[in-house]
Amino acid sequence: QQQVKQSPQSLIVQKGGISIINCAYENTAFDYFPWYQQFPGKGPALLIAIRPDVSEKKEGRFTISFNKSAKQFSLHIMDSQPGDSATYFCAATGAGGTSYGKLTFGQGTILTVHP
Amino acid sequence: NAGVTQTPKFRILKIGQSMTLQCTQDMNHNYMYWYRQDPGMGLKLIYYSVGAGITDKGEVPNGYNVSRSTTEDFPLRLELAAPSQTSVYFCASRETVQETQYFGPGTRLLVL
Repeated sequence: QQQVKQSPQSLIVQKGGISIINCAYENTAFDYFPWYQQFPGKGPALLIAIRPDVSEKKEGRFTISFNKSAKQFSLHIMDSQPGDSATYFCAATGAGGTSYGKLTFGQGTILTVHP
Repeated sequence: NAGVTQTPKFRILKIGQSMTLQCTQDMNHNYMYWYRQDPGMGLKLIYYSVGAGITDKGEVPNGYNVSRSTTEDFPLRLELAAPSQTSVYFCASRETVQETQYFGPGTRLLVL
């Protein structure tokens, strides 16, 4: 019930291309879906997040697409740059006071953008 | 404003030794978390706290203990280190009403 499954495990994209990372969840009580970006030797940092009341959220080159009925969401990175090379994690957390913001993370995707 | 700081950055432990991983945040956040990150496994929640004096178990609490005597500090204790505890440990914090978690730089622990 608490799992978040992420794919692919690794992704290689050419500069200027589109990077797409997918996640699927099981727990219908989840109501907040963030994506975190992690550079080597650093802690994860929030990149973009979405709630299930919208199907898409865009911030610059980064877009989250959300499909509530399929329980899936994805991260699209347009015009991918070498500086985007990092590990990306999707995550989810539930509604209500008892969730306390506890995040369930996907397994992570290592993105490499070649110049 | 340093955010979330963690010490040490790296540590090697022998099996059976104990140690405390330190975590401090200067953002006056009530919520704090400890995660461990293993290759290909994402981050898993070990313990969390919703305020001073209040802690609870996460997904993988066995072999760890925590305390929260102040808002700023949330140390993680390993009593009898085991090779399975080799990992990178991240501390995070967030405001009560905001969803964003802020992560520290991590502590890399090797148990031999």
